[in-house]
Amino acid sequence: GDSVTQMEGPVTLSEEAFLTINCTYTATGYPSLFWYVQYPGEGLQLLLKATKADDKGSNKGFEATYRKETTSFHLEKGSVQVSDSAVYFCALILDTGRRALTFGSGTRLQVQP
Amino acid sequence: DVKVTQSSRYLVKRTGEKVFLECVQDMDHENMFWYRQDPGLGLRLIYFSYDVKMKEKGDIPEGYSVSREKKERFSLILESASTNQTSMYLCASRASQGARSPLHFGNGTRLTVT
Repeated sequence: GDSVTQMEGPVTLSEEAFLTINCTYTATGYPSLFWYVQYPGEGLQLLLKATKADDKGSNKGFEATYRKETTSFHLEKGSVQVSDSAVYFCALILDTGRRALTFGSGTRLQVQP
Repeated sequence: DVKVTQSSRYLVKRTGEKVFLECVQDMDHENMFWYRQDPGLGLRLIYFSYDVKMKEKGDIPEGYSVSREKKERFSLILESASTNQTSMYLCASRASQGARSPLHFGNGTRLTVT
C-alpha cells in the first residue's frame, strides 16, 4: 500500500541553523505531496504542497521539491527560528482511489535560542 | 477561513462507556475525516465520509463507528471505550475539488480512557 517515511526526531537546532527533514514515499500511482505543521496545542495546518514531479512548494521560508526519481519530498529551511518549533508531517494523496491523505509519523523540531 | 470545530478539547471516560466525539465544519465541504494521532505512529485514518450518510473505513476502523446525518457534522463513536483508545483524535474536512484540495483540521480532542 501507499506509505510515507520520515526521519525520526526530535531534531534539535540552534536558531538560524539550516533545516532538512527527510521524507520518502511509496505510492502505486502519481501522488500529490504535502507538508503539514502542528504547533503545540493545535491541529495540523498545511505548510506547502507539490502536485507533480519537479514542482517546488514553498511557504514561510520552507521549501520542498517533488523528486519522482528518488520518491522524495524533503523539507528545507535556510534559517530556522524558535517559532518554527513544531511537529512536521509529510503526507501524500493519490488522484484516484481513496480520497484520504496518508501521513508519515511526524518529526518534532526543537529550535533553541 | 475554514473552521473545523471539535466539541471537546479533553475528555476522560471509563472503560466500557459509549463515547461520542463531535466535529462541525462551516465551509460546506463534502469530505470529512477522523484520524487518531499517537506518538511515533503519526496520523492514522479511522473513517471518512464523502457525502451525507456515506462512509468508508480507513486503516483502523475496529472499535469505532461514525455518523454523518448532516453535511456539516461528522461524529465518531466509540461503542465501548477501551484503554487502547486513549489518544488524540483529529477531525478534518476537505472540499471535493479533486484530490489536491488541502485538509483543514480541528484542534483535536484528547481522550483518556481509564
